[in-house]
Amino acid sequence: KNEVEQSPQNLTAQEGEFITINCSYSVGISALHWLQQHPGGGIVSLFMLSSGKKKHGRLIATINIQEKHSSLHITASHPRDSAVYICAVWGRGSGSRLTFGEGTQLTVNP
Amino acid sequence: EPEVTQTPSHQVTQMGQEVILRCVPISNHLYFYWYRQILGQKVEFLVSFYNNEISEKSEIFDDQFSVERPDGSNFTLKIRSTKLEDSAMYFCASREQGADGYTFGSGTRLTVV
Repeated sequence: KNEVEQSPQNLTAQEGEFITINCSYSVGISALHWLQQHPGGGIVSLFMLSSGKKKHGRLIATINIQEKHSSLHITASHPRDSAVYICAVWGRGSGSRLTFGEGTQLTVNP
Repeated sequence: EPEVTQTPSHQVTQMGQEVILRCVPISNHLYFYWYRQILGQKVEFLVSFYNNEISEKSEIFDDQFSVERPDGSNFTLKIRSTKLEDSAMYFCASREQGADGYTFGSGTRLTVV
């Protein structure tokens, strides 16, 4: 079993829809990251969470430490949000390495 | 906004050749990392570097790999004798002392033929 599981693997939405991507992990963590990867391959950090909720523009990230679960929400989705969204955890006792999920391919159609 | 810079963006090399991938981390960052992503797979940790030495490495990071910070600004990953299975996107990342956030470079796509 992977340490970090994301769902869904692929998601297609219409412009304007509310989107949720989920991440579950099986290890104790110090922090969880949500990252965005565009078709060219570059990775951009969106959020780092260790508790609660963070918001940046139309993006909201939440984490429930007890349930070992995090969600990334996108409100009023737009075609430019199309990308791969990756959950990565910084495990307790793992030094400072990140362990990555498989990613969720999001396609937002106009 | 400060960036992590990686060069080259794409490198094609013959099997058995040595390659050096270069990274310029953000200037006040103290922790440096290399990750790789084989096409269609998830990103994997290779190595972390702090205070001029390797602080952690994965099982992937065998004797064919080495890292160096030769001049206080560049951070390099060397693969001594490339194999076909080394073909991947290689990402450099850095972070500040005490900060949790990572900044990733845009990656070097290595193709071994």
